[in-house]
Amino acid sequence: DVKVTQSSRYLVKRTGEKVFLECVQDMDHENMFWYRQDPGLGLRLIYFSYDVKMKEKGDIPEGYSVSREKKERFSLILESASTNQTSMYLCASSFLRVRGSLSYEQYFGPGTRLTVT
Amino acid sequence: QKEVEQDPGPLSVPEGAIVSLNCTYSNSAFQYFMWYRQYSRKGPELLMYTYSSGNKEDGRFTAQVDKSSKYISLFIRDSQPSDSATYLCAMNSGGYQKVTFGTGTKLQVIP
Repeated sequence: DVKVTQSSRYLVKRTGEKVFLECVQDMDHENMFWYRQDPGLGLRLIYFSYDVKMKEKGDIPEGYSVSREKKERFSLILESASTNQTSMYLCASSFLRVRGSLSYEQYFGPGTRLTVT
Repeated sequence: QKEVEQDPGPLSVPEGAIVSLNCTYSNSAFQYFMWYRQYSRKGPELLMYTYSSGNKEDGRFTAQVDKSSKYISLFIRDSQPSDSATYLCAMNSGGYQKVTFGTGTKLQVIP
């Protein structure tokens, strides 16, 4: 079974704090993703990474950064948390290719519900 | 206009009913189509994955893609209370890892 774990289920932080969200996958997936999920807006991609030390901006990267020092671990960093970053944060991972074809099947972690006050 | 449109529901059905969940999309380049199920306070889990047009069946679930109409469906037969969840459609045009998600339809199956 694919397992994607996230460091916290619930997190409460104050405005201006630096926040680290950690994600670990155990399937040797090349790709890792960070999304946020908000009511009525669905899942929005923040950043993704297709290899160690590689990162690509998603649709809403402003206010976030990421780090991927090891293949199995992908961190999301909120440099200075703001109230509009209160959200559910979801990490996902996937293989780059399956049976020679590009793969789009993403496996998600349980999510971190972040509240910024 | 959003690239992927999905009715948010909620959709309430009695146990045993056939459920039809749908998404429409505007990007004709989409070729890979997925359905995810998300229980409350959990991450989405992949249910079905199809490529291009046609049907795919897995147990009580059938995924249908009509590229000519830019319309995809997920059918659930003999619905169970344990099917109560939010269902998200997702799609991709190929050649790039980004997946576009619908906003999800909340389904409630009443015992």
